[in-house]
Amino acid sequence: EVHLVESGGGLVQPGGSLRLSCAASGFTVSSSYMNWVRQAPGKGLEWVSVIYAGGHIYYTDSVKGRFTISRDDATNTLHLQMNSLRAEDTAVYYCAADLEGYNYFDEWGQGTLVTVSS
Amino acid sequence: QSVLTQPPSVSGAPGQKVTISCTGSTSNIGAGYAVHWYQQLLGKAPKLLIHDNNDRPSGVPDRFSASKSATSASLAITGLQADDEADYYCQSYDTSLGIVVFGGGTKLTVL
Repeated sequence: EVHLVESGGGLVQPGGSLRLSCAASGFTVSSSYMNWVRQAPGKGLEWVSVIYAGGHIYYTDSVKGRFTISRDDATNTLHLQMNSLRAEDTAVYYCAADLEGYNYFDEWGQGTLVTVSS
Repeated sequence: QSVLTQPPSVSGAPGQKVTISCTGSTSNIGAGYAVHWYQQLLGKAPKLLIHDNNDRPSGVPDRFSASKSATSASLAITGLQADDEADYYCQSYDTSLGIVVFGGGTKLTVL
């Protein structure tokens, strides 16, 4: 059974950093297109970043240069390093798997809340 | 402002049919990219409801169906049930932006 579990969220001051993790089971992260999708409080879904099976990486414009997506094949885990955090980055961050590479998200984690506030 | 436009809310009585529209442009839906739909129950993670315009993952009831034409798509829910009350999102790919895009979401209220 496919399962995704995020961790690492919390309260951080503006300008600070956080590292999110997403532990995967039931499939291989390195063979899938792994994404981060966020949802600000009371708002809709926003795609943040993807790492393709072949290693190509893409980001939405608002996080370019501040966020870094990576994966650890040994532990089957996806990460999101978030630096220079802003109030507008406050959201629930979901790890989402595109298992077949068809640009849709088959499986989602439960989400982890990131709050950027002084 | 979302790239894909959905109505903020729709409602219907139990047993009725509702439809949710998703309007895009020539750089996403109109460019031939598939439309996918997600259901998000209150306080929960989104769940894939429809992929590739009108394919249901295993376990999704056939009360849920979708269609696509030109630069828009729609999700239909028949035989409304109380536990269909949720937020629904459409999603596609935008070739101009080079990223996955979502609609703003539609809140379904079962009266």
